[in-house]
Amino acid sequence: ETGVTQSPTHLIKTRGQQVTLRCSSQSGHNTVSWYQQALGQGPQFIFQYYREEENGRGNFPPRFSGLQFPNYSSELNVNALELDDSALYLCASSEWRATSGRADTQYFGPGTRLTVL
Amino acid sequence: GQNIDQPTEMTATEGAIVQINCTYQTSGFNGLFWYQQHAGEAPTFLSYNVLDGLEEKGRFSSFLSRSKGYSYLLLKELQMKDSASYLCAVREWDDKIIFGKGTRLHILP
Repeated sequence: ETGVTQSPTHLIKTRGQQVTLRCSSQSGHNTVSWYQQALGQGPQFIFQYYREEENGRGNFPPRFSGLQFPNYSSELNVNALELDDSALYLCASSEWRATSGRADTQYFGPGTRLTVL
Repeated sequence: GQNIDQPTEMTATEGAIVQINCTYQTSGFNGLFWYQQHAGEAPTFLSYNVLDGLEEKGRFSSFLSRSKGYSYLLLKELQMKDSASYLCAVREWDDKIIFGKGTRLHILP
């Protein structure tokens, strides 16, 4: 069984640039959630994707967008980068249960450390 | 509003027992998670409670009281490798998961 993987591991960008982060979900998982974790803080929910559609969003501006592909992998795109976007970006996958109408326990990938200069 | 409170830092001794508390006020409740996160690493799943009571899993146990909006994580026979941050997280009705800021646990030899 393959766990959640993310790429790249680290990334350095400058203000105003755009970035794309990638996530491959754990085998058998159809739901992907993205989180932003600033230093010393807990993860903050950005959004969740199920069946290639956004299925819930946290308090993040529209310049944070995402995609999910038919193989359940996902991308997080951030436009017009700001200094405060510097953080660890975590992807978590889970299986959506139609019987319960919610996702099972989420398992996290190793994260992408984004630094905005 | 949404609020999850847990102590910022705790210190305990190797071999001892420690209890990390979490109180929450969220928009609906659909389960509570505890995750462990070592510095620079991703959170790893420890436990999930949706009903009141104690769930035991080896050296780790988690308790939930929905009426009090309260949970705790109990770690027994502490080992040095247990030094990490412990994150309390609540799943709301719309399946969003809200995390607390985490409790940094320091284990002393």
